[in-house]
Amino acid sequence: AQTVTQSQPEMSVQEAETVTLSCTYDTSESDYYLFWYKQPPSRQMILVIRQEAYKQQNATENRFSVNFQKAAKSFSLKISDSQLGDAAMYFCAYIRGATNKLIFGTGTLLAVQP
Amino acid sequence: DSGVTQTPKHLITATGQRVTLRCSPRSGDLSVYWYQQSLDQGLQFLIQYYNGEERAKGNILERFSAQQFPDLHSELNLSSLELGDSALYFCASSVRAGLDTGELFFGEGSRLTVL
Repeated sequence: AQTVTQSQPEMSVQEAETVTLSCTYDTSESDYYLFWYKQPPSRQMILVIRQEAYKQQNATENRFSVNFQKAAKSFSLKISDSQLGDAAMYFCAYIRGATNKLIFGTGTLLAVQP
Repeated sequence: DSGVTQTPKHLITATGQRVTLRCSPRSGDLSVYWYQQSLDQGLQFLIQYYNGEERAKGNILERFSAQQFPDLHSELNLSSLELGDSALYFCASSVRAGLDTGELFFGEGSRLTVL
């Protein structure tokens, strides 16, 4: 069965600094997609960044980037120049190609200190 | 604002009761997904509908059921409620049946408390 593991229940970062959130996953599939979702106090889940497994290049969205290590089944999220608005719960998620079941990790609560 | 609307935002009820949660997807989205978020289970996929038909099923209890209506809104019915059903129930929508693009838009959730 596919699983997603986030080993850091909580993280803290100073404003303007960089923080990396870890995620590992377990799958025997070759066709899959990985995501990072953000859940702020407003509760709404927001897609932060997406990575296709077949792409070697790491995805980047403004201050957010990933380090995708396919062989190690690792998918970490780097947030640069952290802002107070980045404070939220971050979920790593996986989906196997051609299925509709998005599997989430347990989340990492990120605090941003002013 | 994701464009996905969920009602009610909060609901308190008693064990053994039945409740209905409602979701209106983004305009143009044909797929609706239901997720349950609880402290002990995390985010769990319950069920997906695409254009009125059940498309995928996850960890949905037999006491729970859902449907998608011709106008594409969806309802999640929870019956014979137990204390452990207390959770945040999310609805999400997407344009297509598949999720490979990751373009899944979530509502703000319905917080269910069973006393």
